[in-house]
Amino acid sequence: GAGVSQSPRYKVAKRGQDVALRCDPISGHVSLFWYQQALGQGPEFLTYFQNEAQLDKSGLPSDRFFAERPEGSVSTLKIQRTQQEDSAVYLCASSLAGTGTSGREETQYFGPGTRLLVL
Amino acid sequence: SQELEQSPQSLIVQEGKNLTINCTSSKTLYGLYWYKQKYGEGLIFLMMLQKGGEEKSHEKITAKLDEKKQQSSLHITASQPSHAGIYLCGADPLIQGAQKLVFGQGTRLTINP
Repeated sequence: GAGVSQSPRYKVAKRGQDVALRCDPISGHVSLFWYQQALGQGPEFLTYFQNEAQLDKSGLPSDRFFAERPEGSVSTLKIQRTQQEDSAVYLCASSLAGTGTSGREETQYFGPGTRLLVL
Repeated sequence: SQELEQSPQSLIVQEGKNLTINCTSSKTLYGLYWYKQKYGEGLIFLMMLQKGGEEKSHEKITAKLDEKKQQSSLHITASQPSHAGIYLCGADPLIQGAQKLVFGQGTRLTINP
């Protein structure tokens, strides 16, 4: 596709429910990122993949958060036993380059986000 | 860890007026990105700056990175309603490779007709 797509766009979950958020990056993009954006704040990094390898998961807030990208393309962010503080917009971004490059290939292109509301 | 502070947090200007948004970093910037976000949408890439003193323009938007690479400004000339939204600066905290971005809190821009 032309850009990064995410689904669902909106998700309402009851506290304790598990959710799965999907990201389809731009075709051919090596790197994939997940960010969490609370209301009125800038996005905060969650995790990063280069192809299928998860190279950095330092931003995941707890072990209830799990991300995968098994074939190096589509990625899923799973949140188990959701809590109210998980309510946020979850943004996915992809970039053409892997590590060690510079310039425009590193530019991250963002999807529209999934707005998660936990009741 | 690197922190970015944007000012002002919100801005209301009359259509046709010029405006400037600032982004200040606690550490040297190795890559500075400007994005625009509309409510309910993702981030739209505007520009990326890497070199001290660099300046880039796209249509009526100009972004600059100072010589010391710790501050960037985004200037809009003759603002239009289409410029309304949230402007975010994001920094690459590493010397090489944009493995993750650290963002400012955003500046909400409103354009009054």
